[in-house]
Amino acid sequence: GEDVEQSLFLSVREGDSSVINCTYTDSSSTYLYWYKQEPGAGLQLLTYIFSNMDMKQDQRLTVLLNKKDKHLSLRIADTQTGDSAIYFCAESIQNNDMRFGAGTRLTVKP
Amino acid sequence: DAGVIQSPRHEVTEMGQEVTLRCKPISGHNSLFWYRQTMMRGLELLIYFNNNVPIDDSGMPEDRFSAKMPNASFSTLKIQPSEPRDSAVYFCASSSGGNEQFFGPGTRLTVL
Repeated sequence: GEDVEQSLFLSVREGDSSVINCTYTDSSSTYLYWYKQEPGAGLQLLTYIFSNMDMKQDQRLTVLLNKKDKHLSLRIADTQTGDSAIYFCAESIQNNDMRFGAGTRLTVKP
Repeated sequence: DAGVIQSPRHEVTEMGQEVTLRCKPISGHNSLFWYRQTMMRGLELLIYFNNNVPIDDSGMPEDRFSAKMPNASFSTLKIQPSEPRDSAVYFCASSSGGNEQFFGPGTRLTVL
């Protein structure tokens, strides 16, 4: 299909790892993105990965890219209550446009 | 830069009324996007403009929705007549063609 797909909800316990998965549609996407939306706020770019990379790590965040399966994941190590937010996967498409998934609402339980 | 500016931040209206949401993109950005976010459907792209011209409006739900961009620094999203199912948070975003989109704080619309 033409949708970027991700689960709508994920719940984890504080201190556990969170893994948010996404499948995208355009095999020619140059960049894949993760945006974060905190409660009551707009979306902000969290991290991104270039399509010729398999992995990108930034402190507690690890992004994995499987181009063959068009699968992107975001792993948050040692998840904290402050990580509770909605996380959006997005792909770059033609004309410098982006296509967003619907967002995964991460709930971190103490 | 003040970022993407949206107004109003909150709007409560009655069914049947006209609603106009406003957006000022970041200066110099040439692409502008309108999104709708609900709990049930997540984030949905409604329409986007490139150099003030609508490029893709396939996400606009129905004829009650219309969007305009009369100049590079202003866009409106209008709903007429509004219905309770239009209640959502509406986001405006802009980009300079360099991929990253910058989002406004959103307008929370409640239609009673």
